[in-house]
Amino acid sequence: DAGITQSPRHKVTETGTPVTLRCHQTENHRYMYWYRQDPGHGLRLIHYSYGVKDTDKGEVSDGYSVSRSKTEDFLLTLESATSSQTSVYFCATFGGEGDTQYFGPGTRLTVL
Amino acid sequence: GENVEQHPSTLSVQEGDSAVIKCTYSDSASNYFPWYKQELGKRPQLIIDIRSNVGEKKDQRIAVTLNKTAKHFSLHITETQPEDSAVYFCAGDFFGNEKLTFGTGTRLTIIP
Repeated sequence: DAGITQSPRHKVTETGTPVTLRCHQTENHRYMYWYRQDPGHGLRLIHYSYGVKDTDKGEVSDGYSVSRSKTEDFLLTLESATSSQTSVYFCATFGGEGDTQYFGPGTRLTVL
Repeated sequence: GENVEQHPSTLSVQEGDSAVIKCTYSDSASNYFPWYKQELGKRPQLIIDIRSNVGEKKDQRIAVTLNKTAKHFSLHITETQPEDSAVYFCAGDFFGNEKLTFGTGTRLTIIP
């Protein structure tokens, strides 16, 4: 599992509230990613990071921001949550013995 | 960006039979093609991957084939078992920067 944890694992919030999801890794991997997973759409990249303070947008970045102040932590923020952001969010890292991508356990977010 | 088409979207096979899932891509080159398995409520987990310098790779009942000329790669599962029931995702590293593009997934059901 490449030592990836996500918090919280479940969250219910209301439209218009800010939400921050945290991803923490213990493997010192350089690359980190945030995906959302919705039925019929597979895994879609929101933002990714290729180093501390180095981030870039993915294919569905509108309404999301990220920050990476330490190698081990990658934060995803929804500044003002909307119902369309109800989803399962996965964090991932790239590296390790297999030189491949590993996923965290996921966060189920519901925006009412 | 690169699109990865994955077929079929659903697949049901009798226990003991083989299952084949195919992915095609169009424009970009990739040197790395992983396959992930996701059980209900769990994270995607790598089951096998292939790099562009080989045409086939096997790991027990699972094999992946790659045809770079035709731009398609396939997952083959032989002697299927009930625990093979899951959603399978193909992916490719089309941008060469450890950023994977995923197919939309195949829901495989093994009928006992």
